[in-house]
Amino acid sequence: SQWGEENLQALSIQEGEDVTMNCSYKTYTTVVHWYRQDSGRGPALIILIRSNEREKRSGRLRATLDTSSQSSSLSITAAQCEDTAVYFCATGTGGYKVVFGSGTRLLVSP
Amino acid sequence: GGIITQTPKFLIGQEGQKLTLKCQQNFNHDTMYWYRQDSGKGLRLIYYSITENDLQKGDLSEGYDASREKKSSFSLTVTSAQKNEMAVFLCASSIFRGGTGQLYFGEGSKLTVL
Repeated sequence: SQWGEENLQALSIQEGEDVTMNCSYKTYTTVVHWYRQDSGRGPALIILIRSNEREKRSGRLRATLDTSSQSSSLSITAAQCEDTAVYFCATGTGGYKVVFGSGTRLLVSP
Repeated sequence: GGIITQTPKFLIGQEGQKLTLKCQQNFNHDTMYWYRQDSGKGLRLIYYSITENDLQKGDLSEGYDASREKKSSFSLTVTSAQKNEMAVFLCASSIFRGGTGQLYFGEGSKLTVL
């Protein structure tokens, strides 16, 4: 199936917990994007990790990329209520096409 | 900074109707995209354009036409709206070869077909 056809996964955690979201991609990619989408808004980039990077950090966010297993992960340390959003990974092959994964709906409760 | 403006924000149509969505960007980006997002699901690529007057089909192009007459604008037409169809259409742009550069998104246009 096309990736984006799949239902969003749902994760529910308490404030202060750590959480990891996973993404597996099917074709060769030179870069993995991670986007965050707040309700009623368009997605916004939070981390972009290239095929020559194994890990990238931005504040409480950490992305990993394993090209051998064609997988990437996004971790949030000490999640806050404001981290509640939908998170998507997307892949680019070095051409112009960018394909999005099915996404994870994260709910962080106080 | 720049902005992506999508119009209309809400679009209500009738079954069989041709409906057009518009997208404007002031980033001066070469590449633009249209994605469809169904409720509770991910984004599926409909069309993209790497420069003015270029059109490339995505994974979900059937039932849609696109137009890129200017670098700053990219339009999407639903050629025949399906009854009870409901989705959000998202426009994006990117300065780099699309796969390697950040995408900037608009707020979306929500389509409802009665």
